Amino acid sequence: DAKTTQPTSMDCAEGRAANLPCNHSTISGNEYVYWYRQIHSQGPQYIIHGLKNNETNEMASLIITEDRKSSTLILPHATLRDTAVYYCIVRVPWNYGQNFVFGPGTRLSVLP
Amino acid sequence: NAGVTQTPKFQVLKTGQSMTLQCAQDMNHNSMYWYRQDPGMGLRLIYYSASEGTTDKGEVPNGYNVSRLNKREFSLRLESAAPSQTSVYFCASSDIGDRSNEQFFGPGTRLTVL
Repeated sequence: DAKTTQPTSMDCAEGRAANLPCNHSTISGNEYVYWYRQIHSQGPQYIIHGLKNNETNEMASLIITEDRKSSTLILPHATLRDTAVYYCIVRVPWNYGQNFVFGPGTRLSVLP
Repeated sequence: NAGVTQTPKFQVLKTGQSMTLQCAQDMNHNSMYWYRQDPGMGLRLIYYSASEGTTDKGEVPNGYNVSRLNKREFSLRLESAAPSQTSVYFCASSDIGDRSNEQFFGPGTRLTVL
């Protein structure tokens, strides 16, 4: 699995967009970018994933650069409940039983 | 659907005691996983089961054993608990037939070994 680097922590004002960056410069052509988050004391929660096109769902948008070496998770209108640790992961999804490698992630604090 | 359930939620053991952490999923997923999370760190994979009847080691398997009892259940056993195994343990499942292969996590078991 390709390694990822994320900022240790970020702040965001409530109601504003939260933009969380992730660098994955060694990503290979068949690896997808996944984002998960973990709210205090709970299990990680899937947010979104993508290969090379930008993706959007009810929770967030994922912007992947054309060279695929970095991506940004966007929470369009952050709320206090979005305060969590956000994990960026790259992996090949269909590898049989391949595990996810969760690094330290980015601690996002949404401030009132 | 309950998703992924884990029992117990909390456990305190003395060094040398044994215990089994239980995990069950009702999503008909093929693959199941056990992770541990230590303070300030991400999740580290202990063991996984790609399908019923198979298990494989992850990043940190020492001191643990697993059993894939059936498609729904995947247990983690500590034969002789050590203080270094104090951690939060998460079970997860995924469907390899789903192209996203997203993992669904349980609520965790908080284990303290004295």
